[in-house]
Amino acid sequence: AQSVTQLGSHVSVSEGALVLLRCNYSSSVPPYLFWYVQYPNQGLQLLLKYTSAATLVKGINGFEAEFKKSETSFHLTKPSAHMSDAAEYFCAVTPNQAGTALIFGKGTTLSVSS
Amino acid sequence: NAGVMQNPRHLVRRRGQEARLRCSPMKGHSHVYWYRQLPEEGLKFMVYLQKENIIDESGMPKERFSAEFPKEGPSILRIQQVVRGDSAAYFCASSPGTGAGNTIYFGEGSWLTVV
Repeated sequence: AQSVTQLGSHVSVSEGALVLLRCNYSSSVPPYLFWYVQYPNQGLQLLLKYTSAATLVKGINGFEAEFKKSETSFHLTKPSAHMSDAAEYFCAVTPNQAGTALIFGKGTTLSVSS
Repeated sequence: NAGVMQNPRHLVRRRGQEARLRCSPMKGHSHVYWYRQLPEEGLKFMVYLQKENIIDESGMPKERFSAEFPKEGPSILRIQQVVRGDSAAYFCASSPGTGAGNTIYFGEGSWLTVV
């Protein structure tokens, strides 16, 4: 069985500070991992995905994530936060298998203060 | 993603009524997924469909909920005899369905309020 744990339901940073959102996964098979962002009252937008091609994955809006198998982690980072980054972020996992549904973490709300 | 179209965006139903949520996948996508998001929780998988077939409904409540994806037309999630606990955001997603790790694109959601 697969699962995702997002550490910290709320993260607050100042504008210009480093953003670090934590995600640990559990999987008995090689996983595919995703980060999605959700703005208030909107659907989910894909930020980036890991599909085993490279351990450091770059996504949209300056975000990136590094897959660390030894730590079973896929933390999301951004060097410098912007006010527009305030949103809810979800980590998700799916097994290396076609057409299988995503399993989501509970989400982390990112607040950015000026 | 604007490519996955859901309607209605907001729906209010009285307890005991039926709710029907519709989803048109992105062009060229033959796989549809429904997720439910309850307050303070992440998205929970409900059902996965291909055209005219339910592939995985392991996340669907045993009663009152059903889903279909007919040969023609949108996918429909149907909730009969709604109760207050059904109030949630329901998200549809679609994917091309071929190849592991294929990207799943989400619609903007349908917010159901049961009064």
